[in-house]
Amino acid sequence: QQQVKQSPQSLIVQKGGISIINCAYENTAFDYFPWYQQFPGKGPALLIAIRPDVSEKKEGRFTISFNKSAKQFSLHIMDSQPGDSATYFCAASMRDDKIIFGKGTRLHILP
Amino acid sequence: EAGVVQSPRYKIIEKKQPVAFWCNPISGHNTLYWYLQNLGQGPELLIRYENEEAVDDSQLPKDRFSAERLKGVDSTLKIQPAELGDSAVYLCASRGDDNEQFFGPGTRLTVL
Repeated sequence: QQQVKQSPQSLIVQKGGISIINCAYENTAFDYFPWYQQFPGKGPALLIAIRPDVSEKKEGRFTISFNKSAKQFSLHIMDSQPGDSATYFCAASMRDDKIIFGKGTRLHILP
Repeated sequence: EAGVVQSPRYKIIEKKQPVAFWCNPISGHNTLYWYLQNLGQGPELLIRYENEEAVDDSQLPKDRFSAERLKGVDSTLKIQPAELGDSAVYLCASRGDDNEQFFGPGTRLTVL
C-alpha cells in the first residue's frame, strides 16, 4: 500500500514557467510534510517542509500548498530555471520521524 | 561543516559475495538512518539508530542484511550474500535535534 502518491512521474517546463508537483497521502497521523530535491549522483536534500497547521509555506521561489481535508499537498516552483532540473520527492512522517517518500518527479526545465 | 560521508561511492560485486558500506554522520547527530533507493523510486528506510541502539529495523531483511553502529557514531551496513536484486543505491542520513535529515551521496551497488 503506497502511503504517499506523487504525480506526475515526469514534467517538462519552459524556463520562467511554473512547475507544479502534486502529492496525496492516506495516513492522517502524518504531521510533517517535506519536499526533497535530488540531483544525479547526490543524496536527497531538504528543500522545504510544512506542518498541517498551516495551508501554505513560501521560501523564495518555492511554495508548498497544503489541503488537510483533501489530504493533498503540492510544490510550486515559480520562475523555473534550468538549475531546478532534478528529481523531486514529496514525503510524509509521523512523530516517530519515519519518513515515507513518494516515487519522485523528474523535472526538466527547458532553457 | 562536513556533511554525511559514505564510502565507497561505487561497488561492483558478483552475486553471493559479501559487501559492506560505511557511513560517517554529521558530528553531533545522534540519529542515523540507512535507506535503500531503487532506480526511479524514493528512498525506503532499512534501519534507524538512536545513538548505538537500532530503534527501527522492521524493514531490514535480516536473513542477509546486518548493520551496526558501534560507539554511536559511524555505522556499517553489510549484505551477505548479495543477490542480483540488491543492486541499488544505499543512502545514509543523519539527524540532529530538529526534524531535518541530511543525506549522504550514497553507495551505488551493482551485483553481477
